Amino acid sequence: EVQLVESGGGLVKPGGSLRLSCAASGFTFSSYSMNWVRQAPGKGLEWVSSISSSSSYIYYADSVKGRFTISRDNAKNSLYLQMNSLRAEDTAVYYCARDAEGQWLVLDYWGQGTLVTVSS
Amino acid sequence: SYVLTQPPSVSVAPGKTARITCGGNNIGSKSVHWYQQKPGQAPVLVIYYDSDRPSGIPERFSGSNSGNTATLTISRVEAGDEADYYCQVWDSSSDHAVFGGGTQLTVL
Repeated sequence: EVQLVESGGGLVKPGGSLRLSCAASGFTFSSYSMNWVRQAPGKGLEWVSSISSSSSYIYYADSVKGRFTISRDNAKNSLYLQMNSLRAEDTAVYYCARDAEGQWLVLDYWGQGTLVTVSS
Repeated sequence: SYVLTQPPSVSVAPGKTARITCGGNNIGSKSVHWYQQKPGQAPVLVIYYDSDRPSGIPERFSGSNSGNTATLTISRVEAGDEADYYCQVWDSSSDHAVFGGGTQLTVL
């Protein structure tokens, strides 16, 4: 069974940093591209970042480029999102999502999300 | 940047057909994916590549895409279909994924 479990969320002050993790199981993690998608309270889905299976291709939304860094450790079956210079508008539930096999940005499995709150 | 436009809400009676649109400039040239999200839950992929259904998604869910509009159609709507629905594409000109604003489906 495919499982994606996010962790690392919490309350952080504006300008602070946080590192999110996503632990993957039930599939060959190293064969799949992965993504972060966020959802502000009461709002819609917003794509944040994507990384290919071997980390050769990495993309960011304009709203986070230069502040967030996506990475993965295939040996540990883990996906990460390093978030720096956090702003109030970064407050959201952050989902880790897997791409369907051989596809790009077809998100076939999602974690349950981790809440990041940026507030003083 | 590429923009996807969805109606904020759609209402339908049980047993009828719901159609949720997703508008975008020449969206027919892109592959559109649809997600269902129920309150407090993570999104679920219900249609990919315009009209394909993942395993486990009922045949009542279908999709189409042409011109400037993609459509998610839910036939014989049930109370359990009540949810938010999002369309999504990959915009290769900007290397960005884009989600529509979402449509809240209400079953009357």
